[in-house]
Amino acid sequence: QVQLLQSGPEVKKIGASVRVSCKTSGYSFTTYGINWVRQAPGEGLEWIGWSSTYNGDTKYAQKFQGRVTMTTDASTSTAYMELRGLRSDDTAVYFCAREKVVRCLDHWGQGTLITVSS
Amino acid sequence: VMTQSPLSLAVTPGEPASMSCMSSQSLVNINGYNYLDWYLQRPGQSPQLLIYLASTRAAGVPDRFSGSGSGTSFTLKISSVEADDVGVYYCMEALQNRTFGPGTKVEI
Repeated sequence: QVQLLQSGPEVKKIGASVRVSCKTSGYSFTTYGINWVRQAPGEGLEWIGWSSTYNGDTKYAQKFQGRVTMTTDASTSTAYMELRGLRSDDTAVYFCAREKVVRCLDHWGQGTLITVSS
Repeated sequence: VMTQSPLSLAVTPGEPASMSCMSSQSLVNINGYNYLDWYLQRPGQSPQLLIYLASTRAAGVPDRFSGSGSGTSFTLKISSVEADDVGVYYCMEALQNRTFGPGTKVEI
C-alpha cells in the first residue's frame, strides 16, 4: 500500500536550518509529485511548495521563496524539504503529500514536528 | 483567497450537514474542470482527501459525502452525519498554487 514515512521531530535554534525527509513506498515514485504543507499549533493548513519527482522542477509559495529548497531522490524514493533561516513562527507540523495528476493530495505523511526556539 | 463558512458547525448524528467554500477567482481550468478539493483532518491525524475536482469522491470515501459547485462557489454535503465525521474540513484550490481555506470545524 502507498506509504509516506517522514523523519522524526526536531528542535532547532532561531536562524538554523532543518531538513525533513519523506520516504515513499508502494507506488512508482516518479509518477507523482510531492507537496509540502505545514500546520502551526492550533492553526490551519499552509501550502509550502511542490516538487516534481520526474524532472526536479519546483514551485514554492511566495512566502517561502529564498528560504526553502525541495529535492527528490528517485534512487531511494525519498523527497526532502529544507527550510533555512528558521524563525519562531516556523514552529509547526510539516506534512509531505503525494500529488495526483489532477493536482489533489491523495496520500499524506504522518507529519514532522519542527520546534524553533531561542 | 479561499473562504469557508461556517467556521464552526455543530451536527447531529443521522442529520445532514453542509458547508461552503468560496474562491476569490474562478477555479475552472481551460479543460472545464474545477480544481477544488476537500480534505478532512480528524483530531490528531493527517489530512485525508475526500473530494477532488469539486465533485469526485476519492477512493474509499463513503458516498454520504458529496461535493458540488463551479467557478467560485462550492459546497460539501454530508447526507447523514456519523460520529467519525468530526474534525476540520478544508477546501483547497489547486488551479494556481495550492491555497487552503481556513477550515470548518465540525463537532457533534
